[in-house]
Amino acid sequence: EVLLVDSGGGLVQPGGSLRLSCAASGFTFSSKWMTWVRQAPGKGLEWVANIKEDGREKYYADSVKGRFTISRDNAKNSLYLHMNSLRTEDTALYYCARPVEGYWGQGTLVTVSS
Amino acid sequence: QAVVTQEPSLTVSPGGTVTLTCGSSTGAVTSGHYPYWFQQKPGQAPRTLIYDINNKHSWTPARFSGSLLGGKAALTLSGAQPEDEAEYYCLLHYSGPWVFGGGTKLTVL
Repeated sequence: EVLLVDSGGGLVQPGGSLRLSCAASGFTFSSKWMTWVRQAPGKGLEWVANIKEDGREKYYADSVKGRFTISRDNAKNSLYLHMNSLRTEDTALYYCARPVEGYWGQGTLVTVSS
Repeated sequence: QAVVTQEPSLTVSPGGTVTLTCGSSTGAVTSGHYPYWFQQKPGQAPRTLIYDINNKHSWTPARFSGSLLGGKAALTLSGAQPEDEAEYYCLLHYSGPWVFGGGTKLTVL
């Protein structure tokens, strides 16, 4: 059974940092591009970032470029999202995903507020 | 980055047919955009229905189909069921970055 378990969300002040994690199992994680997607409360889906199998190619949405870093540890079957300089507009449910195969985490909620 | 447009809302009668579309601000949507379609119901994670224009997953009901139509990606629902009432999102690939459409709220009424 494929599982993506998202964790690391919480309440953080504007300007703060947070690291999200995604634990993958049930498929060959090290051979798959992976993705982070977010959804602000009551809003639509927003693509955040992609990372290649070996971590050497990464792409970011303009809204997070320079502030967020996607990374992975294939030995631990884990995906990460390092978020710095957080803004109130980053408040959202963050999903780890492999959309082409229909793999989605349950999401982890990030709230940026003073 | 590009802007991807979808109808904000559509209504279909039970048993009826409806087509949702997905356009790109950069021009015609092509196979090179690898259009995806997702279904999301309240309180649930998105579910991938269609990938690469018209490929389905094992869980995708046969009444859903994807295509390219008039320069846009399209999702056609033939024989709508009450359980199809949901938000539908398309996703386009732009040689690196991806962009979601704003979503279409589909009502079955």
